[in-house]
Amino acid sequence: DQQVKQNSPSLSVQEGRISILNCDYTNSMFDYFLWYKKYPAEGPTFLISISSIKDKNEDGRFTVFLNKSAKHLSLHIVPSQPGDSAVYFCAASALQGAQKLVFGQGTRLTINP
Amino acid sequence: NAGVTQTPKFQVLKTGQSMTLQCAQDMNHNSMYWYRQDPGMGLRLIYYSASEGTTDKGEVPNGYNVSRLNKREFSLRLESAAPSQTSVYFCASSVPGLTSGNTIYFGEGSWLTVV
Repeated sequence: DQQVKQNSPSLSVQEGRISILNCDYTNSMFDYFLWYKKYPAEGPTFLISISSIKDKNEDGRFTVFLNKSAKHLSLHIVPSQPGDSAVYFCAASALQGAQKLVFGQGTRLTINP
Repeated sequence: NAGVTQTPKFQVLKTGQSMTLQCAQDMNHNSMYWYRQDPGMGLRLIYYSASEGTTDKGEVPNGYNVSRLNKREFSLRLESAAPSQTSVYFCASSVPGLTSGNTIYFGEGSWLTVV
């Protein structure tokens, strides 16, 4: 049973436009959410996170939005750049439990010039 | 500062062979993890070690064993490799307690093929 789901395997966006990546979760115990970015042949690298006490966290071109009632989060990248082309993983954790991250399947983002 | 280092980077095994993936971190993190990544499945937790001397099963532990040798090192062993264990394996580490500002840091991955 997939507790964290990224329903779009791929997304193609024009350079300069906004990229929106979506993630849904089912476990109501999750209270900390992260996005990781992964280039081919490299390990995932941390991008941005949000705790359940917030509904928005912003870091430069990256903003994560959390809708707890819908159990949904999204990552907005604006403006999108060619270097943003990568696989993006959504992950969730329950802070009160062990420090385990549950990952979604990933979305491959391609930024077209 | 190397971060999380995994060896080997690539390995081909025959079915039934055994091998150990090595992992070391130099960030003085207490917690360490082994994940596997398969197409369409994301990253799935195999085993983790919340602190030196402790290990616990993750989501997909069958066919694997781990050893937390010391605070720096966490190894993953395949006792009798199977084709279903063909995957990319990632070691990771973190400070205790995931809170805003803390996160898990990953190594570069180990590509394992079982034929």
